[in-house]
Amino acid sequence: EVQLVQSGAEVKKPGESLKISCKGSGYSFTTYWIGWVRQMPGKGLEWMGIIYPGDSDARYSPSFQGQVTMSVDKSINTAYLQWSSLKASDSAMYYCARNIRQFRGPTIENWFDPWGQGTLVTVSS
Amino acid sequence: SYELTQPPSVSVSPGQTARITCSGDALPKKYAFWYQQKSGQAPVLVISEDSKRPSGIPERFSGSSSGTMATLTISGAQVEDEADYYCYSTDSSGDHRVFGGGTKLTVL
Repeated sequence: EVQLVQSGAEVKKPGESLKISCKGSGYSFTTYWIGWVRQMPGKGLEWMGIIYPGDSDARYSPSFQGQVTMSVDKSINTAYLQWSSLKASDSAMYYCARNIRQFRGPTIENWFDPWGQGTLVTVSS
Repeated sequence: SYELTQPPSVSVSPGQTARITCSGDALPKKYAFWYQQKSGQAPVLVISEDSKRPSGIPERFSGSSSGTMATLTISGAQVEDEADYYCYSTDSSGDHRVFGGGTKLTVL
C-alpha cells in the first residue's frame, strides 16, 4: 500500500524556524515527485510546489518561491518543507502528496495521489 | 495566473443527482481531476483524467469534460458524500498547476 505519513502538529512563535516531514512507503520513493499543498483555516487548497527525490530538483509556485524550502533525504524516503522565519500567516494545514506523471501525446499530465494525513502548523505569539 | 472556477456550494436531497462544475480556459486540452475532502480529513482522488474512477471509489461518482467545463456527477448522492470537492488541472503550458476554489456539497 502506498502511504505518505507526515510529522505531527507544531506550535511555533513568529520568527522561529520549522521543518516538517513526509515519509513515503510502499513504492519507489525516488521515481515520483512529491508535492506540497497548503490549506489555510476554512479555505481551499493551494499548490505550493513539487520536488523530485531522485535529484532534489524543485519547482515552486510563484506565490511560495522564497517563502519556503523543499528538500528530501532519499536514504530514508522522506521529504521536508521548511521555514526559516515563520509568520502568523503561515498558520495552516500542510499536506504532502505523491505526484503522478503521465504522458498524453506530446504533453504530460500531473496529479496528486495519495495524500499524507496533513501537518497542522500554528504560529502564534 | 490560471484559474479554475467552481460554484461555492451545491445542495441536493439524498438519492438525487449532484453535479459540480469546473471551468477553465485550458480544459479543452488538459485533464481535470477531482478530489473529495471530508471535514477534518485529507483530500482523496475520486476522478482522474476527466472521467476515470480510481479503485475503491463508488460507481455513483463519474466525471466528464466538454469544452472549457469539466463536471463531477454523483448519481444518487448519499449523506456520506457531504464534503468539499476540488477540481485540479494545469494551464495549457503545463507550468501552472491549480486547484479550483472548491464546492461544498450538502446532502440533506
